[in-house]
Amino acid sequence: DAGVIQSPRHEVTEMGQEVTLRCKPISGHNSLFWYRQTMMRGLELLIYFNNNVPIDDSGMPEDRFSAKMPNASFSTLKIQPSEPRDSAVYFCASRVSDEQFFGPGTRLTVL
Amino acid sequence: QKEVEQDPGPLSVPEGAIVSLNCTYSNSAFQYFMWYRQYSRKGPELLMYTYSSGNKEDGRFTAQVDKSSKYISLFIRDSQPSDSATYLCAMREAGNNRKLIWGLGTSLAVNP
Repeated sequence: DAGVIQSPRHEVTEMGQEVTLRCKPISGHNSLFWYRQTMMRGLELLIYFNNNVPIDDSGMPEDRFSAKMPNASFSTLKIQPSEPRDSAVYFCASRVSDEQFFGPGTRLTVL
Repeated sequence: QKEVEQDPGPLSVPEGAIVSLNCTYSNSAFQYFMWYRQYSRKGPELLMYTYSSGNKEDGRFTAQVDKSSKYISLFIRDSQPSDSATYLCAMREAGNNRKLIWGLGTSLAVNP
């Protein structure tokens, strides 16, 4: 199994642009998580899905952030418009039992 | 006060040392406790998983939970340079759809 796949691995964009991050979870895992990690705030849960349904989006910072999971093998996290304070590493993780498996992350820089 | 507190370090030790990493928490309802290891520019990976109180050992690693003190520890014996990473504690309440609450992580460097 290839593990959780995320794309792109790196993204540099200018303030105000739309950013779309993509995630393919491990096949058979029915829970998917989007996290943001910074030095100051650590790992923050943004949103998670069970069986493609959003369960808890209380961590989504504001309306500029949106996430979708149209099917069991794909999810997107969109930021529109992006701001410099959105710069961070964004991780996607999928879960079996109580273990979360993380992707390699997308390093986002907003100039 | 954050629900989970973890000293970010950095912690630097010589090869072969015993390492102690710790987290404190405030929510007495936490029942499941985990340690994840994160290498530089990688995602975290599960290292140890314990339920409720007690010790769990896996090779050179021992996880300890003291619910009366709301304190968990990860011990690494005979530390190796390959143990150099950030160690994050995470915990959750019992029940379905309970999200993990994460510590900030402790950065560890084991020097050869």
